[in-house]
Amino acid sequence: EAGVAQSPRYKIIEKRQSVAFWCNPISGHATLYWYQQILGQGPKLLIQFQNNGVVDDSQLPKDRFSAERLKGVDSTLKIQPAKLEDSAVYLCASSLGGRLSSYEQYFGPGTRLTVT
Amino acid sequence: GESVGLHLPTLSVQEGDNSIINCAYSNSASDYFIWYKQESGKGPQFIIDIRSNMDKRQGQRVTVLLNKTVKHLSLQIAATQPGDSAVYFCAEIRDTGANSKLTFGKGITLSVRP
Repeated sequence: EAGVAQSPRYKIIEKRQSVAFWCNPISGHATLYWYQQILGQGPKLLIQFQNNGVVDDSQLPKDRFSAERLKGVDSTLKIQPAKLEDSAVYLCASSLGGRLSSYEQYFGPGTRLTVT
Repeated sequence: GESVGLHLPTLSVQEGDNSIINCAYSNSASDYFIWYKQESGKGPQFIIDIRSNMDKRQGQRVTVLLNKTVKHLSLQIAATQPGDSAVYFCAEIRDTGANSKLTFGKGITLSVRP
């Protein structure tokens, strides 16, 4: 079965510019997650969707980050405007769904963002 | 605050030796623990998990040990191979009732010497 797809794989932007990342989860997976992984650290959850609804966005910096999953399948994560500290790998993950969905998450390869 | 963390940032082992990667956690309410392996340019990959009511679980060449008394988790890899070289993360899951949340600790790099 195809895994979680993400694009682009790499992105370099200047601070104050905008950037968007795209994620296509595994077919049939209702739950989708976006994580931020700063170099040398574990991934940190930014937002969790169940179908097209937000379950948890408590750690999303909402003044500059936004995410949507309009049709309950693909998702985009946007940063506007970017700051130097946003340099990180942005990981998308998906799972079948339900209350115990965190137990079996499948991760994409990530998008490495460099803000200069 | 609550955290899941690792004792050492790097571990170097000889090919064929056993590896032990340790992790400390602070949230005694965690329901589940998972070890992930992350290779360069890839997302984390599930290795093995253990429920909070267990103290040991074995997989193929890997064993996870859980000591709830001292809030310590370890991953043992038998006969370490070059392909085991990666960053390893321990992670905890807490069931919040309406949802379950996965929290990662900091990574430790395992380097296998030929």
